Amino acid sequence: EPEVTQTPSHQVTQMGQEVILRCVPISNHLYFYWYRQILGQKVEFLVSFYNNEISEKSEIFDDQFSVERPDGSNFTLKIRSTKLEDSAMYFCASSADIKGELFFGEGSRLTVL
Amino acid sequence: AQRVTQPEKLLSVFKGAPVELKCNYSYSGSPELFWYVQYSRQRLQLLLRHISRESIKGFTADLNKGETSFHLKKPFAQEEDSAMYYCALTRGAGNTGKLIFGQGTTLQVKP
Repeated sequence: EPEVTQTPSHQVTQMGQEVILRCVPISNHLYFYWYRQILGQKVEFLVSFYNNEISEKSEIFDDQFSVERPDGSNFTLKIRSTKLEDSAMYFCASSADIKGELFFGEGSRLTVL
Repeated sequence: AQRVTQPEKLLSVFKGAPVELKCNYSYSGSPELFWYVQYSRQRLQLLLRHISRESIKGFTADLNKGETSFHLKKPFAQEEDSAMYYCALTRGAGNTGKLIFGQGTTLQVKP
């Protein structure tokens, strides 16, 4: 069964460093998402992406964040200058259509020191 | 504002007991409601959605628009139901696929 895959599973970085989290969505899916979950808190929407552009983003998704689908298979989330409060589990998800089920990856744990 | 509330962080029951995980939502339009589940060391996955009106793994959920609730129920809990359960909604109109999650409820089914 096809799955969304995410790398790395865990990344530790210093505050102020750039981080790129990578996702390979399910191959025939058209809608892509990033969510994050700070430890002990709810899963929060960051951004949705369709047809090579952002379709919606949350207040969390400020200028420090960007997303890209560079080669038609990968979907990346970049944090330009990490802050301590960016420490969280980041989930990538994809779906085949706008009302379809979201399929989640296993998450990338980001620890900012 | 769109909001999903799951009032219980932890629900602990014995095997064979009925289960009800509560979910209330706040949304002015006609949302779609979902239950996602995360078993230990597994990824978040869809359990059921209100528009399909299915029973999955013995779980059902009925959308009550009057009470703005979408409680998840199962008549007889099994140990393998132990997991984290998230209620979530998407907008009806203007939907971009964005899910708004509740805080989650950990269901612990004791033998």
